[in-house]
This record gives sequence, structure tokens and C-alpha cells, in this order.
Amino acid sequence: QKEVEQNSGPLSVPEGAIASLNCTYSDRVSQSFFWYRQYSGKSPELIMSIYSNGDKEDGRFTAQLNKASQYVSLLIRDSQPSDSATYLCALHSGGGADGLTFGKGTHLIIQP
Amino acid sequence: GAVVSQHPSWVICKSGTSVKIECRSLDFQATTMFWYRQFPKQSLMLMATSNEGSKATYEQGVEKDKFLINHASLTLSTLTVTSAHPEDSSFYICSAPPTGGGPYNSPLHFGNGTRLTVT
Repeated sequence: QKEVEQNSGPLSVPEGAIASLNCTYSDRVSQSFFWYRQYSGKSPELIMSIYSNGDKEDGRFTAQLNKASQYVSLLIRDSQPSDSATYLCALHSGGGADGLTFGKGTHLIIQP
Repeated sequence: GAVVSQHPSWVICKSGTSVKIECRSLDFQATTMFWYRQFPKQSLMLMATSNEGSKATYEQGVEKDKFLINHASLTLSTLTVTSAHPEDSSFYICSAPPTGGGPYNSPLHFGNGTRLTVT
């Protein structure tokens, strides 16, 4: 049974600060990790993907993966009010066309 | 980029009726389609995986006779909620995997979701 754990929040961060979102997972064979952003009533949209240990940066976003600790995080620099959303951590195991396993998401609020 | 068109975006139906949700891949062929359900403040839960030309695979606890899935062509997968009840009210989202199979090195293609309300 694959499990993805996230703190549901809400996580409140001042505008311009760094938002740090965390996720732990139980399935050691997981290979691909994703962060999705979901606005209320909308489908998820991909923010970052990461496949190997270390950091991956894309603009204001940095994903961090530590497979030994089964931990993946997302940092959002210079947080903007438009970043306010629910952030879903997801993982994919194996090499087949399987669905992703999602966490419950962290509700992020950026305070102007 | 690849687009999955999902319809309807929202539907209200009476208890006991059936509702069909369609997902079409507009510019690519989707041999597989994942169907997710999301209750308020909950995660996306995989309900079933449809495969073109074969029977769908249902996740544990999902009633296959209640949630009928059809994937008759490479561009269309449908989910029919039969004899809907208020507890079926949820946000249903379809998603197609990237072409080439796994491990995934490109994003899944999500439909825009269907908000189902059963009264």
C-alpha cells in the first residue's frame, strides 16, 4: 500500500517569503515524484517533477528529493498571492503505465 | 501540448439516475485513461484504469457495476455513474499518462474535471 503524507495546513506565509512544503512517502521503490498545484474546483497542474536525489530548480520553485529518508519537498521563493492554492505531492512507482499516488495536499495561503 | 477534454464540467442529477462523463484526447491517442475521484479537502483517489479495447481495472473498494468505464476508441474514455446517490457527489477527473509509458518523465494530461452533485 503506497502512502503519501502531507501536512494539510493551512500554511500561511507572508508575501515575498519562502514557502516550504513537505511530503513523505512509504513506498521505497517509487521512482518519480511530482508536485502539483490545484486551485479550488480545478484540475491539478504540474509544478515540478524530480527523479533523482538532490535539488532541482525551476524559476521560483525548487524541489528536493531524499530517497534514503523517503522525503520530498518544494520550496517557493518570493511567494506571491497567486501561489495560494493546494499543493499535491504525487509519486509514481515502477515502469508501467500506472496512475499516480497523491497526498492529501497542503493548503498554502500567501498573505499580502 | 497534449489536451484531454472532459465533459461535462459540472452536472446536477437526481438520486437514482445515471450520469456519463466523457474524456477525449484531442491531439494524441490515449490507450490508457486514469479515473480519479476527489472529495472536498481530500486527495485524488484513483478509481480505475481504462484500457482501449479491454476491460477496465478497478481499485480495491470501487464498485465496477456502479462505475461503468468504457474505452472503445483511442481518443474516448467514458465513466458512467449508475444509480447515483448523494454520497457519489464528488469531483471526478480523468488523466492520460504520457506516451511511451513509464517511468514518467513528462506530466500526465489531466481533464478539467467534472463536479457531480447528486440531490
